[in-house]
Amino acid sequence: SAVISQKPSRDICQRGTSLTIQCQVDSQVTMMFWYRQQPGQSLTLIATANQGSEATYESGFVIDKFPISRPNLTFSTLTVSNMSPEDSSIYLCSVGREHTTDTQYFGPGTRLTVL
Amino acid sequence: GQQLNQSPQSMFIQEGEDVSMNCTSSSIFNTWLWYKQDPGEGPVLLIALYKAGELTSNGRLTAQFGITRKDSFLNISASIPSDVGIYFCAGRPTSGTYKYIFGTGTRLKVLA
Repeated sequence: SAVISQKPSRDICQRGTSLTIQCQVDSQVTMMFWYRQQPGQSLTLIATANQGSEATYESGFVIDKFPISRPNLTFSTLTVSNMSPEDSSIYLCSVGREHTTDTQYFGPGTRLTVL
Repeated sequence: GQQLNQSPQSMFIQEGEDVSMNCTSSSIFNTWLWYKQDPGEGPVLLIALYKAGELTSNGRLTAQFGITRKDSFLNISASIPSDVGIYFCAGRPTSGTYKYIFGTGTRLKVLA
């Protein structure tokens, strides 16, 4: 399995501001994903972070609200833009190695509270 | 987005009891994963299943890939207090890429 770290681990932000979450993996991975977990809910895929190209977003999520970067095979960022209290969630990075098994491993998450 | 149905939604059990939970869908899946999430943490992978009918164990945990490929089951034997948490199943559809659909979760509480 990969060792995945996320920064920040938690943050409290004001409405209308933006927050960038970083995900760092200790080895190169093919697949990187960003999920949202609203309070008391399951995990919902936001997008697949593609190395060197635009992310692939799921229905209901748009690039203007959740811009994603993936400059290399070990790092990705997710920005939550123009935040509102409805964005209060845990944001999780996950990774998968396409050429071995297709399991996914998760980072520790970033707990975001928007006031 | 689409979710898998997990049951039960929550359960209280006595320490030492066995626990069973399941995940069902109307669609066929190629892979099933089971995760456990503790408060304030990311989900931790427990078991991965790749073939219909496959039965895989990890310590006191045993999971099965349903023969119809539309369901999966997780059993925990002789539960202990640290088994407390939320258990999620995740399925990868046959028509998908490497994206997984997550279950609604089973919240387990163990009474000492």
